[in-house]
Amino acid sequence: EVQLVESGGGLVQPGGSLRVSCAASGFTFSTHWMHWVRQVPGKGLVWVSRINGEGNITSYADSVKGRFTISRDNAKNTLYLQMSSLRAEDTAIYYCVRFSGYIEWGQGTLVTVSS
Amino acid sequence: EIVLTQSPGTLSLSPGERATLSCRASQSISSRYLVWYQQKPGLAPRLLIYRTSSRATGIPDRFSGSGSGTDFTLSINRLEPEDFAVYYCQQHDSSPLTFGGGTTVEIK
Repeated sequence: EVQLVESGGGLVQPGGSLRVSCAASGFTFSTHWMHWVRQVPGKGLVWVSRINGEGNITSYADSVKGRFTISRDNAKNTLYLQMSSLRAEDTAIYYCVRFSGYIEWGQGTLVTVSS
Repeated sequence: EIVLTQSPGTLSLSPGERATLSCRASQSISSRYLVWYQQKPGLAPRLLIYRTSSRATGIPDRFSGSGSGTDFTLSINRLEPEDFAVYYCQQHDSSPLTFGGGTTVEIK
C-alpha cells in the first residue's frame, strides 16, 4: 500500500524558516517525480514545487521561487520542502503528492505563519 | 500556464438528482492528464477520476468523467448524501500543474 506521510508543520514567525518532510512507502520512491501542493484552509489547491526522481531537476511556483527549496533523500524515501523568508500568505496545508503512475496524496501538514 | 475554469461555483441539488460539473481549460490538454478530486472539510483531496474518464479505485459508478481538448465534465448520477462536497479538476499535462477553482455541490 502506498503511503505518503507529511510532518514538520507548525507555527512560525514571519521571516522565519521551517522544513516539512514527507515519508514515502509502498513504491519505488526514487523512480518518481514528487510534488508539493498547498491549500489555504477553505480555499483552493495550488501547486508549489516538484523534483525528479534523481533529485537534480526542480521547479517552483513563482510565489515561492527563491524562498523554498525542494529536495529528496532516496535512501530514506523522504521528500523535503525547506521554506525560508516565510510570509503570512504561506500559511496553508502542505501536501506531498505523486502524480506519476497512480496519483497519491498525503494527508497534509499545516504550516501557520504568524506573530 | 494552463488556466482551468470550473463552473458553476456552487451547485444546489437534492439527493437523487444528477450533478453536472464543468472544467474548461485555457488551452488544449491531453485527456491522459485531466483528473477530478472530491474534497470534504478537514480531509485531503480524494482522487475520483483520472485520464478524463477512468474511475479511481473504490469510486462508485455513479461518478463519470468525459471530455476532450479544452472542455471536460464530471457527472454524478443520483446524488447520495456523502457526495455533497467540493470538486476540483486538475491538469498534469504541462508545468506548472494547475487546478480549477472548485465547484461546491451543496444540499438544496
